[in-house]
Amino acid sequence: AQSVAQPEDQVNVAEGNPLTVKCTYSVSGNPYLFWYVQYPNRGLQFLLKYITGDNLVKGSYGFEAEFNKSQTSFHLKKPSALVSDSALYFCAVRVAKAAGNKLTFGGGTRVLVKP
Amino acid sequence: NAGVTQTPKFRVLKTGQSMTLLCAQDMNHEYMYWYRQDPGMGLRLIHYSVGEGTTAKGEVPDGYNVSRLKKQNFLLGLESAAPSQTSVYFCASNGPTGLTIYGYTFGSGTRLTIV
Repeated sequence: AQSVAQPEDQVNVAEGNPLTVKCTYSVSGNPYLFWYVQYPNRGLQFLLKYITGDNLVKGSYGFEAEFNKSQTSFHLKKPSALVSDSALYFCAVRVAKAAGNKLTFGGGTRVLVKP
Repeated sequence: NAGVTQTPKFRVLKTGQSMTLLCAQDMNHEYMYWYRQDPGMGLRLIHYSVGEGTTAKGEVPDGYNVSRLKKQNFLLGLESAAPSQTSVYFCASNGPTGLTIYGYTFGSGTRLTIV
């Protein structure tokens, strides 16, 4: 079984400050890890992924995430948050080469960036 | 524009009524998925398909049926709607064939209310 935990329901940050959204995972095997963002009344949009290689992954809109195998974490970061980053963020995981390529999602973290 | 299209976008049903949600993708993706999104619970997989003519159960399949008669379409049916099925439903696809390590492409969602 695979699972994802996003321990914070909401993260508040001032515009211009660093933003971190936490994610930990549990899988049996090598993980593929993803971050998605959801704006109000919209579907989920792909931000970035970790498949293999460098532990630091860079994605869309200035976001990056660091894969830490020993801590089974994949935290999302942005050096300087914008008001437009306010949205719902989801971490997701699946096992490499698993049948069906099924993704398991965390519960989501709402990010509020204040001007 | 290429992508995943869901119809309808909104629907209100009475308890016991039936309906079908349609998902269509024009990216020639092999894999398609139906998720439901509920507050604090993230996205949970209902059913999925790994190709035309195939379907499989996900995490929360009870009360739902699916069909994939054509590669581009994935239908989700509710035979007898219940208030517990009030949710936002997302369809997603994955591919192209042989490159399934990429993230999903999501539709914009269907907001379904059962009264």
